Amino acid sequence: EVQLVQSGAEVKKPGEPLKISCKGSGYSFTTYWIGWVRQMPGKGLEWMGIIYPGDSGTRYSPSFQGQVTFSVDKSISTAYLQWSGLKASDTAMYYCARYSSSGKVDPWGQGTLVTVSS
Amino acid sequence: QSALTQPASVSGSPGQSITFSCAGTSSDVGDYNYVSWYQHHPGKAPKLMIYDVSNRPSGVSNRFSGSKSGNTASLTISGLRAEDEADYYCSSYTSSRALVVFGGGTKLTVL
Repeated sequence: EVQLVQSGAEVKKPGEPLKISCKGSGYSFTTYWIGWVRQMPGKGLEWMGIIYPGDSGTRYSPSFQGQVTFSVDKSISTAYLQWSGLKASDTAMYYCARYSSSGKVDPWGQGTLVTVSS
Repeated sequence: QSALTQPASVSGSPGQSITFSCAGTSSDVGDYNYVSWYQHHPGKAPKLMIYDVSNRPSGVSNRFSGSKSGNTASLTISGLRAEDEADYYCSSYTSSRALVVFGGGTKLTVL
């Protein structure tokens, strides 16, 4: 079974760094892009961008370019989403998902809730 | 990149058929047959229901169907059931740098 399992919920203070993870299993991790999606409280889904585990190539959505960093560790089939300094406006649920070239996103991880509050 | 346009909410009674719309542009929905639909129950991971405009993944009920005309895609649910109550999002491949754009989502209420 193809599965993406994300790290647990985080509570952080503004300005703190954070790295959340997404571990893939049941498929060849290095041959599919991993996408990241944000859902702010009470809002819809927003596409953040993708990373290709095979060569760590990235494509950031313009709204998120420079705000977050995608990375991978192929040896443990894990993708990461990180912030160098969180803001209160980063409070959201973050999903990872396997991305296909036609824009199909499936399956999805269970989500990681990030809360940023002083 | 603007989001695709979806109505905020729709409602229907059990057994009815209901159609969701998803309006895009010639840079996304209109130019590519790469529209997907996702069902999202609060607190759960979104689930792919339709991809490439009208294809159903294995395991998805044939009560769900998709289509496209010009810059607008549609999702139809027939034989509405209580468990269909959820948020539904469309997405499309786009020629913009973002590669993917989502709609704002439609909340389905089953009366």
